[in-house]
Amino acid sequence: GENVEQHPSTLSVQEGDSAVIKCTYSDSASNYFPWYKQELGKGPQLIIDIRSNVGEKKDQRIAVTLNKTAKHFSLHITETQPEDSAVYFCAASSSGGSNYKLTFGKGTLLTVNP
Amino acid sequence: DGGITQSPKYLFRKEGQNVTLSCEQNLNHDAMYWYRQDPGQGLRLIYYSQIVNDFQKGDIAEGYSVSREKKESFPLTVTSAQKNPTAFYLCASSSGGWGNQPQHFGDGTRLSIL
Repeated sequence: GENVEQHPSTLSVQEGDSAVIKCTYSDSASNYFPWYKQELGKGPQLIIDIRSNVGEKKDQRIAVTLNKTAKHFSLHITETQPEDSAVYFCAASSSGGSNYKLTFGKGTLLTVNP
Repeated sequence: DGGITQSPKYLFRKEGQNVTLSCEQNLNHDAMYWYRQDPGQGLRLIYYSQIVNDFQKGDIAEGYSVSREKKESFPLTVTSAQKNPTAFYLCASSSGGWGNQPQHFGDGTRLSIL
């Protein structure tokens, strides 16, 4: 089955700096890669996703890149703000066959210091 | 507003007791999911349902049961057979059940043992 590794487990940046979180996956059939933000006591919220036919996707200060050959994808947050502080999860999913579920990484606690 | 409602927010279980967690969605989504989240861990899939009156076990189904009698509702019962039930439980839904559609999460139920 799919295995997703996420690094780093914690990340501390100064306000205005960029933050990068990286994930690797094992199943070359995976074709959908969402990123979620989870604030304390809340459920995860989808912030951006990318499919395997696209190499990069951007939404304002957030971008995701995908390298299918190397089987890794990354979340980039620019001009970080204190409200970006949260736990971020990556996930990977393949479709078809018996693999119709998301496999999540273990999360990255991002702290943005004012 | 459309969304997913989980109740209660906090739940306490006594030894030998079954408890049921509620999950309701008004997004008209076909697929629904239950995840368990432990500190420092990613989300682990308990059960999922792609359509009414049908559901499948996820990675950690032992000690749990579900039903899907209505499209809007997917309750999870934590039985006395689940020896370590203390966790944060998250319900999600998606428009398709192939795992490659965006999943929308509720705000969770925190279950503790008395």
